[in-house]
Amino acid sequence: DQQVKQNSPSLSVQEGRISILNCDYTNSMFDYFLWYKKYPAEGPTFLISISSIKDKNEDGRFTVFLNKSAKHLSLHIVPSQPGDSAVYFCAGMKTSYDKVIFGPGTSLSVIP
Amino acid sequence: ETGVTQTPRHLVMGMTNKKSLKCEQHLGHNAMYWYKQSAKKPLELMFVYNFKEQTENNSVPSRFSPECPNSSHLFLHLHTLQPEDSALYLCASSQGPAGANEKLFFGSGTQLSVL
Repeated sequence: DQQVKQNSPSLSVQEGRISILNCDYTNSMFDYFLWYKKYPAEGPTFLISISSIKDKNEDGRFTVFLNKSAKHLSLHIVPSQPGDSAVYFCAGMKTSYDKVIFGPGTSLSVIP
Repeated sequence: ETGVTQTPRHLVMGMTNKKSLKCEQHLGHNAMYWYKQSAKKPLELMFVYNFKEQTENNSVPSRFSPECPNSSHLFLHLHTLQPEDSALYLCASSQGPAGANEKLFFGSGTQLSVL
């Protein structure tokens, strides 16, 4: 039973346009959400996070939106750049609990 | 350079072999983790160590045996593995104790193939 779902395995976007990566979760105990980015042959790197008490967090070109009632979050990348091409993992966690639960990832390709 | 180094990068082993994966973090972190990533599956947490003490064993088969001799080093000892254990094994660390909203720093992983 996947607690974090990323239903789009892949996404292609034109350079300069907006990339929207979606994530759904089932565990209502999660109080913190994270996005990680992974290039081939490298480990995932932390990108951005959001607490469940917020509905938006922005960091440069990256914005994460959280809709708790829908148990849905999304990552927006504006404008998209070819260097953003990577696999993006959504993750949820409950503070004070050891586990970070990851989704299966979405592979983003930004086309020049 | 993420500060978390894993060796070897690639490993091929037979089902009767014994091998070990090594992880070293140069970040002064207090928590270390082993994750498994199988093809098209989410990252699965295997083990968590807080201040060298194992605090999580996520129902991992005994053919995987972790060891954390100090807060900078983490090993995963492998013996009598199955072909379905072939996967990317990722080590990670975090500054504070696991569960404290600490972001994870990952190594590049060991790509394991079991024949």
